Amino acid sequence: EIVLAQSPTTLSLSPGDMATLSCRASQSVDRSLAWYQQRHGQAPRLLIYDASTRATGIPARFSGSGSGTDFTLTISSLEPEDFAVYYCQHRFNWPRTFGQGTKVEGK
Amino acid sequence: EVQLVESGGGLVKPGESLTLSCAVSGFPMSAFAMDWVRQGPGKGLEWVSSISQSGNYIYYSDSVRGRFTVSRDNAKNSLFLHINSLRPEDTGVYYCTRDWVLAFDYWGQGALVTVSS
Repeated sequence: EIVLAQSPTTLSLSPGDMATLSCRASQSVDRSLAWYQQRHGQAPRLLIYDASTRATGIPARFSGSGSGTDFTLTISSLEPEDFAVYYCQHRFNWPRTFGQGTKVEGK
Repeated sequence: EVQLVESGGGLVKPGESLTLSCAVSGFPMSAFAMDWVRQGPGKGLEWVSSISQSGNYIYYSDSVRGRFTVSRDNAKNSLFLHINSLRPEDTGVYYCTRDWVLAFDYWGQGALVTVSS
């Protein structure tokens, strides 16, 4: 089973700040990685797939990068609605594991 | 508009069984694999199961294999998850998702399952 380790666990930032979230895989997943956002009390929402492609309707301030074992989700300038929990997930093989999540909270 | 609506959750006792349903609309369900993802109280997301378009290929996480059974009825645009021998650690919100090759692109609102005596 591929383990995804996200860091940091919590990120305390202010609106307008840049957020940088990391996801590290225990073995290579090529570019088969997606990022999801989950706001409090809501279902997750797809942000990024194939490591760096934004899903339909996702603002340009969200960007993904990386390949192999190291991936990054960057939010260039935080909006109030971006304070949420973010999960990475690989699709390289079975099982399709998720990272434990990074919470982006207001400072 | 794509919609996935889960139902069948509730309060059940340890050892009992439960079947969750997911009603799909807005796209041809037969064209997509479908998955279940769960989330324990205050915890992260856990992938549970996947079923291919025709139902020929089925996958489970190690934590549920042997107790969970996923199935689908494409004619009725419905996905199911049957859970046997429920345990307290199965408590959580169960999400139905559309598996679009590269990611889970649509999610239902979730069905809450509480396992408690």
